[in-house]
Amino acid sequence: SQQGEEDPQALSIQEGENATMNCSYKTSINNLQWYRQNSGRGLVHLILIRSNEREKHSGRLRVTLDTSKKSSSLLITASRAADTASYFCATDVDTGGGADGLTFGKGTHLIIQP
Amino acid sequence: DGGITQSPKYLFRKEGQNVTLSCEQNLNHDAMYWYRQDPGQGLRLIYYSQIVNDFQKGDIAEGYSVSREKKESFPLTVTSAQKNPTAFYLCASSALTFTEAFFGQGTRLTVV
Repeated sequence: SQQGEEDPQALSIQEGENATMNCSYKTSINNLQWYRQNSGRGLVHLILIRSNEREKHSGRLRVTLDTSKKSSSLLITASRAADTASYFCATDVDTGGGADGLTFGKGTHLIIQP
Repeated sequence: DGGITQSPKYLFRKEGQNVTLSCEQNLNHDAMYWYRQDPGQGLRLIYYSQIVNDFQKGDIAEGYSVSREKKESFPLTVTSAQKNPTAFYLCASSALTFTEAFFGQGTRLTVV
């Protein structure tokens, strides 16, 4: 079953602009992660935010987490053509047995126009 | 170099045949996972393993089988019982609890 859901499904912006993607999830989580996937390739981990954190930064990335709304956002500032990719949020739900795998959304396809 | 390796990159299977996808990691991770990705569907969990000789079904395990005889290896067999096996298959590994997952480059399986 799909836990996370990204919004929008697709986003096209001009190079240099900021890109914001959102993720909503259904059940309580231990952490939420964002991944990037270039077409036809594996996923690359971008950032992890724990359930007791509200905001986290990594370079041009800024992630927020609102556990009361069960939502997260990923902001990419000063976008570059190389940021063109699909972005996925993933949640790690703890059922008491340790790592149960990550549940992914369907992703946001980001296109940066040069 | 530490990492996770999937092979082959492309695989063609005739209907009715079983095929095995390879996944090897040298990251010393305990947990390993197999995901299937279809266009517009995101990633769906097939099987996962937290420790050698143990594995659990994910959301879409029917028609698939796995083994975990070594910590480094987690092969996936797509059996003839899988009705629609054409997809992009991704293997991943992680430390046991709540850390980032490392993905292989994927295997694209096509039934011909």
